[in-house]
Amino acid sequence: QVQLVQSGAEVKEPGASVKVSCKASGYIFINYGINWVRQAPGQRLEWMGWINGDTGDTKYSQNFQGRVTITRDKPATTAYMELSSLRSEDTAVYYCARDPGQWGQGTLVTVSS
Amino acid sequence: EIVMTQTPLSSPVTLGQPASISCRSSRSLVHSDGNTYLSWLQQRPGQPPRPLIYKISKRFSGVPDRFSGSGAGTDFTLKISRVEAEDVGVYYCTQATQFPWTFGQGTKVEIK
Repeated sequence: QVQLVQSGAEVKEPGASVKVSCKASGYIFINYGINWVRQAPGQRLEWMGWINGDTGDTKYSQNFQGRVTITRDKPATTAYMELSSLRSEDTAVYYCARDPGQWGQGTLVTVSS
Repeated sequence: EIVMTQTPLSSPVTLGQPASISCRSSRSLVHSDGNTYLSWLQQRPGQPPRPLIYKISKRFSGVPDRFSGSGAGTDFTLKISRVEAEDVGVYYCTQATQFPWTFGQGTKVEIK
């Protein structure tokens, strides 16, 4: 079955960067894109960006322009989301999702000095 | 971007009674391929979103048939025919017709 398994929780200082991975299995990786969505405490879900699993083409939310980079490794069937210049407001659970029907388990990123 | 607006934001329900959540989009969600990519998600505390419904009314595998979706264009509804204790959580509508994906504010379903 389709599985998206994310890397573990991270604690970062303000100004640092974080890179979260999402290992896909159970489907043909290059036939689908991967989205990244985050959820700050008590807030609604917020889309960050998307990558085409085959071509590597990306789309990003304007809310994160310049700070987020999404990449993928085709042979490893893994997508990555890197967020830079972290601030306390970036404390959130970060999810990868192939589509609304398939979600990773989430990765808690805490930004604190 | 397409704005998704849910009502109500909170829904206290008696066990065994129905619940209904509305979702309105700021633009039509009909894609150029003819499909409408409107989904509903359930989120329990500390859990990732659980997909319930896709393309307005299709249930994902394993979703009880007490959950149903309806609507068209810009107005959509999620109904729970008889609320059970395990249905407590926050429900989100989401559209994937157009980038960026957008989500409603969430509706908290709780037991009276």
